[in-house]
Amino acid sequence: GESVGLHLPTLSVQEGDNSIINCAYSNSASDYFIWYKQESGKGPQFIIDIRSNMDKRQGQRVTVLLNKTVKHLSLQIAATQPGDSAVYFCAERISGGSNYKLTFGKGTLLTVNP
Amino acid sequence: EADIYQTPRYLVIGTGKKITLECSQTMGHDKMYWYQQDPGMELHLIHYSYGVNSTEKGDLSSESTVSRIRTEHFPLTLESARPSHTSQYLCASSEVGGWATQYFGPGTRLTVL
Repeated sequence: GESVGLHLPTLSVQEGDNSIINCAYSNSASDYFIWYKQESGKGPQFIIDIRSNMDKRQGQRVTVLLNKTVKHLSLQIAATQPGDSAVYFCAERISGGSNYKLTFGKGTLLTVNP
Repeated sequence: EADIYQTPRYLVIGTGKKITLECSQTMGHDKMYWYQQDPGMELHLIHYSYGVNSTEKGDLSSESTVSRIRTEHFPLTLESARPSHTSQYLCASSEVGGWATQYFGPGTRLTVL
């Protein structure tokens, strides 16, 4: 079936650099996307979301970009800190299906080097 | 920080035992979910609930069962645990509405010997 996937399984950056985590989705009917951060031994933590009628949304140190033409989603983290080290998942909701079901991608492991 | 709790956090149990994983939330959310996650892998929905006395199977087939007798409580039960059930189980909840974010508990890491 159609699913959300990630381009890179791991990403290593230097502290202070900006990080970009990418996500590709294949279902053009997806209308809502969420980025989650999961630290070791913990449950996923909500970071930021975006609806399909938007191209960009900013939070504190994070920006999500949505390119519906190529079905691509990215999470940008500014001035990456050691505390940002975690696995990052993107999730999508497919419009027309259950409003409550999300499909998760495989995750990208971000490692921040001091 | 979301107020959603799971117990136990870690469980090691022998094959054939019956287990119940507890999940409670204090946010008054109608929607609750159970996901299964293997290490380093994506989350797979195994059960969800729209509200009291409502439960549905998710996308991934599971031998577990769930119940929703109270809004705040959504336990998951395995009648006879097997090694193939070894995994992390994550509970989540959300408000009513299509744009509602799901908030996750800390998870239960289950090991069946």
